[in-house]
Amino acid sequence: SSELTQDPAVSVALGQTVRITCQGDTLRSSYASWYQQKPGEAPVLVIYGKNNRPSGIPDRFSGSSSGNTASLTITGAQAEDEADYYCNSRDSSGDHQRVFGGGTKLTVL
Amino acid sequence: QVQLIQSGAEVKKPGASVKVSCKVSGYILSKLSIHWVRQAPGKGLQWVGGFDPENGETIYAQKFQGRVTMTEDTSTDTAYMELSSLRSDDTAVYYCAIDAHYYDSSGYDYNWFDPWGQGTLVTVSS
Repeated sequence: SSELTQDPAVSVALGQTVRITCQGDTLRSSYASWYQQKPGEAPVLVIYGKNNRPSGIPDRFSGSSSGNTASLTITGAQAEDEADYYCNSRDSSGDHQRVFGGGTKLTVL
Repeated sequence: QVQLIQSGAEVKKPGASVKVSCKVSGYILSKLSIHWVRQAPGKGLQWVGGFDPENGETIYAQKFQGRVTMTEDTSTDTAYMELSSLRSDDTAVYYCAIDAHYYDSSGYDYNWFDPWGQGTLVTVSS
């Protein structure tokens, strides 16, 4: 099965822009979806597809993809964006399995 | 709007089985694809399995094959995940989520999980 690799931790100054990345071979033919998870809460979808935001997600969240890397960008990070972020995609092996990245802990300074 | 309501916390002994439920509110279960994801304490998200409408079968992560069974009761719009031969490292919060899948015009495919249930803590301890 495929793997998705994320940096364990990233930090950003309040109001600045941060990019969280996710690498994996499956991303050459599948877009990633991204989830925000705060302590003690269920994950929340923030980006899916090429760059789609569910209703209620601020437009400072955006997604992009190039080669085997998907990125989640937060433009003008806010204190409430401090959370764990996970990428997810379909396995490239053809059996339709799903796979998650290991997660990135975002700290807003 | 669609909501997923999960059953309450469970405490099980090693070797036992646990069955977690996920009730769909606001939609019809038979029109949805429910997947299960777990999260061990302090760890990341791990996909367990779910229904794949492309082949009409339930698919399981290789790690859980032989120990997990996912079923549905369409009369009550409730999905179930049963995990057997429990070990201490099965201690985790188990989430159900609705999986959607799409192919775009460039040939890329993608899936997403939305919404999620509130989670069910399963503790395995002697």
